[in-house]
Amino acid sequence: GAGVSQTPSNKVTEKGKYVELRCDPISGHTALYWYRQSLGQGPEFLIYFQGTGAADDSGLPNDRFFAVRPEGSVSTLKIQRTERGDSAVYLCASSLRQGDGEQFFGPGTRLTVL
Amino acid sequence: AQKITQTQPGMFVQEKEAVTLDCTYDTSDQSYGLFWYKQPSSGEMIFLIYQGSYDEQNATEGRYSLNFQKARKSANLVISASQLGDSAMYFCAMREINQAGTALIFGKGTTLSVSS
Repeated sequence: GAGVSQTPSNKVTEKGKYVELRCDPISGHTALYWYRQSLGQGPEFLIYFQGTGAADDSGLPNDRFFAVRPEGSVSTLKIQRTERGDSAVYLCASSLRQGDGEQFFGPGTRLTVL
Repeated sequence: AQKITQTQPGMFVQEKEAVTLDCTYDTSDQSYGLFWYKQPSSGEMIFLIYQGSYDEQNATEGRYSLNFQKARKSANLVISASQLGDSAMYFCAMREINQAGTALIFGKGTTLSVSS
């Protein structure tokens, strides 16, 4: 079956611009996670959805970052007024339900802010 | 406070040899899960193995086994009979099961290079 998909695979933008990153989880997975991975580091948690609601957004670095999941499936991570420090790979993962063991990761979106 | 520590930035091993990748963790919770993921150069995160804190037996999945030492708070990954395709970045991660957020906390990773 289809895994987690993310679009675009690469995004290059200029400082100050607005970007949207999309995640399409595995069908039927209620839990969805966004992580950010900087070069040479492990992924860092940003936000977690259970269904449509953000159950934990404690990892969002500041109010320029926002994510939605209006129908409990596809999620969009939105970054306003991008900064060069936002450059990273943004990973999305889903799991069958909250607390379920394995999280399945998508291929990521590589964001480059010039 | 750093919760997952991987002290080996890089490891080198020859084909068919076994290799151990170290991972120590820190948590005050009694209930937690430990994970290992593989990240090849393509960037995808591939789940390898899981160990629950209450599991009495060490987890095994094919050539992967997890050497779980609860008192030492270590969860080392053992790869037996290394293959060239095992060359990748390996991440240890933890999830504190009783927390409202069930996100994974990752270490900084270890780069494994397998040579012929």
